[in-house]
Amino acid sequence: EAQVTQNPRYLITVTGKKLTVTCSQNMNHEYMSWYRQDPGLGLRQIYYSMNVEVTDKGDVPEGYKVSRKEKRNFPLILESPSPNQTSLYFCASSRGTGATYEQYFGPGTRLTVT
Amino acid sequence: QKEVEQNSGPLSVPEGAIASLNCTYSDRGSQSFFWYRQYSGKSPELIMFIYSNGDKEDGRFTAQLNKASQYVSLLIRDSQPSDSATYLCAVDSGYSTLTFGKGTMLLVSP
Repeated sequence: EAQVTQNPRYLITVTGKKLTVTCSQNMNHEYMSWYRQDPGLGLRQIYYSMNVEVTDKGDVPEGYKVSRKEKRNFPLILESPSPNQTSLYFCASSRGTGATYEQYFGPGTRLTVT
Repeated sequence: QKEVEQNSGPLSVPEGAIASLNCTYSDRGSQSFFWYRQYSGKSPELIMFIYSNGDKEDGRFTAQLNKASQYVSLLIRDSQPSDSATYLCAVDSGYSTLTFGKGTMLLVSP
């Protein structure tokens, strides 16, 4: 089954404790992206990757890191989480960008930082 | 700063009616436009995309694009209670990123 998976689905952590949210897709997609979704603010892009070893900042990259060492994986790293990073996070992938490229979203990771 | 504006709603319509969802965008260079549906607690799923001026129909859904007015809309005919969700407008400005609106909540009452 074609899908984007994220782990963990739920995470409660404390300020400053490094964490990684994994994202994996089995569709051989080149483009992957991370979003956060907050009430009243909508979906905002954190980072994206056009291909292996190619990453770039989205609209809200502060406090996050990413890497793309393999085509299928795009982990999101919070080196020193803070309470303002409490959010619902989505990973997405697509064959490319543009008119006909549908973004497939993972199930989401709900992160709480206390 | 690219902006995509949507009325937050909720938009309430009775079952069987036409629901009209609207979206405006600020970047005149925007090329492609997407409508996603998101049920509460779930991930967004694509309903339609459009990139040419005019209408595009897919079943009960019609997307309308007017680039001169920087306006895109989604019409849902014969609305069903199962259509109750938040609808997200997204704009691809050709810079490898999608900018999403905050979404419009649609409530379809039986």
